[in-house]
Amino acid sequence: AQSVTQPDIHITVSEGASLELRCNYSYGATPYLFWYVQSPGQGLQLLLKYFSGDTLVQGIKGFEAEFKRSQSSFNLRKPSVHWSDAAEYFCAVGVGSSASKIIFGSGTRLSIRP
Amino acid sequence: NAGVTQTPKFRVLKTGQSMTLLCAQDMNHEYMYWYRQDPGMGLRLIHYSVGEGTTAKGEVPDGYNVSRLKKQNFLLGLESAAPSQTSVYFCASSPGTTVDTIYFGEGSWLTVV
Repeated sequence: AQSVTQPDIHITVSEGASLELRCNYSYGATPYLFWYVQSPGQGLQLLLKYFSGDTLVQGIKGFEAEFKRSQSSFNLRKPSVHWSDAAEYFCAVGVGSSASKIIFGSGTRLSIRP
Repeated sequence: NAGVTQTPKFRVLKTGQSMTLLCAQDMNHEYMYWYRQDPGMGLRLIHYSVGEGTTAKGEVPDGYNVSRLKKQNFLLGLESAAPSQTSVYFCASSPGTTVDTIYFGEGSWLTVV
């Protein structure tokens, strides 16, 4: 069955430090991959997406992610975090015909240390 | 520019009561989704639809029914609410013609007592 695993439930980093959030997926075919961010009490906002082509994708707010097929991973990175990046981050995979079924990971909560 | 609108935003139900959550989108999207979000569980797909008149089961469909009679609306029904259905429910939509971004509503907070 298709699944998305985010192994880190909660991460704390210092402001200005680099960040990497891990995501692993399980899917037999070429996946369509997404990262979303959710601020408290809000809906989800798309950070970036990968469908094909260059395996390093750039997103909004200075985020990037790298698709590694051999590791079934799509890790999210940011070189220098800001206090406003504190939020919950979700990795998702689109499966099935035209990726019509979108499955999310359990999320990683990011806290920023002043 | 409404996007995806969910009603109601908050509701308290008694065990065994029924209710319907309405999702409306004004972007002419083909695909629509209902998710529930619980602490530590992320978003889990309940049901989804790839077009008017079609529905399909997601990861956690039991206890819910859906209908997509009109392209712009996707209804989620709870026939007999249970405390385990206390959750935040998110509706989402996607253009669907190609793989693309999904757009979320603001969420509906449901408590079953």
